[in-house]
Amino acid sequence: NAGVTQTPKFQVLKTGQSMTLQCAQDMNHEYMSWYRQDPGMGLRLIHYSVGAGITDQGEVPNGYNVSRSTTEDFPLRLLSAAPSQTSVYFCASSMEGGEVGWGKTEAFFGQGTRLTVV
Amino acid sequence: GEDVEQSLFLSVREGDSSVINCTYTDSSSTYLYWYKQEPGAGLQLLTYIFSNMDMKQDQRLTVLLNKKDKHLSLRIADTQTGDSAIYFCAESLPTSGTYKYIFGTGTRLKVLA
Repeated sequence: NAGVTQTPKFQVLKTGQSMTLQCAQDMNHEYMSWYRQDPGMGLRLIHYSVGAGITDQGEVPNGYNVSRSTTEDFPLRLLSAAPSQTSVYFCASSMEGGEVGWGKTEAFFGQGTRLTVV
Repeated sequence: GEDVEQSLFLSVREGDSSVINCTYTDSSSTYLYWYKQEPGAGLQLLTYIFSNMDMKQDQRLTVLLNKKDKHLSLRIADTQTGDSAIYFCAESLPTSGTYKYIFGTGTRLKVLA
């Protein structure tokens, strides 16, 4: 199994450009999420999805869009890149157990995308 | 509110024990987790504890949970240079029929030879 695959690994954008970060998982997980990691701030949730066709905002959604047309893919779109969006972005997936607290809900992470906006 | 806090740095000598601490504010968490992030990589689950337990041991790792004080700790016995990494505490919180993860800021562990 490939697990969670993110592309690209590195990207440099100019202010105002748009781009899509790709995330795909082959574990048939219902739950997928995007985080950004900034020094001293841990991981902050941008958007998440509990299944195909269903998305919701996390803690820092502004400037980002997501869609979930299939179980496997969860792309993150930057609409108009800003220097404040310079960060490392992680996609994660996990089994959605239905009843909260069912089972161990381990999150599987991609390798990350290092984005610099100049 | 939902907040998970950790100290940012910890430095220990090889062979000593490391203790990484975490405090959280939301008591409705179902599971609490410790993830490890090695340089240039994503996070990997190290261990987890169900919220109605107070201790879990897994080889060199010991997790202690004090629900009253909302305090979680990870003890690594006989710390090795390969343990140098960032360690994240996380909790899963029920929300609107599903759950979400809240991560701490991460503790960078440096192991000195």
